[in-house]
Amino acid sequence: QQQVKQSPQSLIVQKGGISIINCAYENTAFDYFPWYQQFPGKGPALLIAIRPDVSEKKEGRFTISFNKSAKQFSLHIMDSQPGDSATYFCAAGEYNQGGKLIFGQGTELSVKP
Amino acid sequence: DVKVTQSSRYLVKRTGEKVFLECVQDMDHENMFWYRQDPGLGLRLIYFSYDVKMKEKGDIPEGYSVSREKKERFSLILESASTNQTSMYLCASSRVDGLEQYFGPGTRLTVT
Repeated sequence: QQQVKQSPQSLIVQKGGISIINCAYENTAFDYFPWYQQFPGKGPALLIAIRPDVSEKKEGRFTISFNKSAKQFSLHIMDSQPGDSATYFCAAGEYNQGGKLIFGQGTELSVKP
Repeated sequence: DVKVTQSSRYLVKRTGEKVFLECVQDMDHENMFWYRQDPGLGLRLIYFSYDVKMKEKGDIPEGYSVSREKKERFSLILESASTNQTSMYLCASSRVDGLEQYFGPGTRLTVT
């Protein structure tokens, strides 16, 4: 029940296209859903996060869509650029659980010029 | 600029050796975490600490222990390294009232 399932494992997108990564969770107590971006040789860094009281959050070219009833959330990268090539992790957590996050399996995104 | 540093970027150890991985954060964060990252498995929590000398097991604590004697430092210990502990190890920290975690660059450990 604590798992977060992420798909696809890898994704190749042409420059200017839309990248979509999906995550699903089981634990309805989760109330924080971040996405982390990791470049080779670096640790993951927070990209964007959403709380379940909204269905969408947008920051620049990055958008999280959240479907509470389906227990799913997704990351959309509009106008994908080669510089977006990285590994993306979704995660889920609860504010009253000491900061613990459960991470998805990761998606390796490659944006071709 | 916030910073989490890890003592080594690459480490090669032999089976049975005792291994210490060190992590230091300069943000005065209360929470600290150790993860291992493996392809296709994502980040899996080994141990975390929410205060000095306090620790809790994560999802995969077997074969590992931790130590937190000072607020800024969190150590991961492999008592007797095994080949299945070859992995990327990531340290992170966060505020007690926040969920955003700040990660170090990772230590790639190879056990031969």
